[in-house]
Amino acid sequence: IAGITQAPTSQILAAGRRMTLRCTQDMRHNAMYWYRQDLGLGLRLIHYSNTAGTTGKGEVPDGYSVSRANTDDFPLTLASAVPSQTSVYFCASSASGDADTQYFGPGTRLTVL
Amino acid sequence: GQNIDQPTEMTATEGAIVQINCTYQTSGFNGLFWYQQHAGEAPTFLSYNVLDGLEEKGRFSSFLSRSKGYSYLLLKELQMKDSASYLCAVRDSNYQLIWGAGTKLIIKP
Repeated sequence: IAGITQAPTSQILAAGRRMTLRCTQDMRHNAMYWYRQDLGLGLRLIHYSNTAGTTGKGEVPDGYSVSRANTDDFPLTLASAVPSQTSVYFCASSASGDADTQYFGPGTRLTVL
Repeated sequence: GQNIDQPTEMTATEGAIVQINCTYQTSGFNGLFWYQQHAGEAPTFLSYNVLDGLEEKGRFSSFLSRSKGYSYLLLKELQMKDSASYLCAVRDSNYQLIWGAGTKLIIKP
């Protein structure tokens, strides 16, 4: 693995179902982030984690939860998906202590019907 | 509120120069980033400015004026592969990135 991976690449989900988007990085970065990207809008931060064991809420956290049990993994869970959560989801990471340039995974395209 | 403004779309000719502007109003300032995003792909880092002035990196340059809340990305010798969206982002006082909606750049032969 080099960089950040996300799974699945895409998913179609029925409303009300639970879904976990996976994110793994091998750069030993301390900070990780989840964004959603919708047409005509900038990337919006859902949740973040500055270091393993800690998480924080971003701009649009409602309906999403995260955990950070270790440095490498940062899964995003939709407890009960709704159509407004249809979006492209990007995971990113950055090394603390530098300019905090964020590096992005390839994204997950999620459609909630 | 916090706001990042960029033009929605720009068109330029292969081999030419294009300047993409970004203006911002944020609670605090701890640096400005430019990212490139090709359609269907992830954003990739282009440049970072924290002090006023011009940062040059090959065909790409980025300029910052903190007093004016203004930045631009300058792309020279445009190539077809430069067709992409260009995202401006500002790190605020909480060290969170605030993102613009992006500028879609179309390059014509």
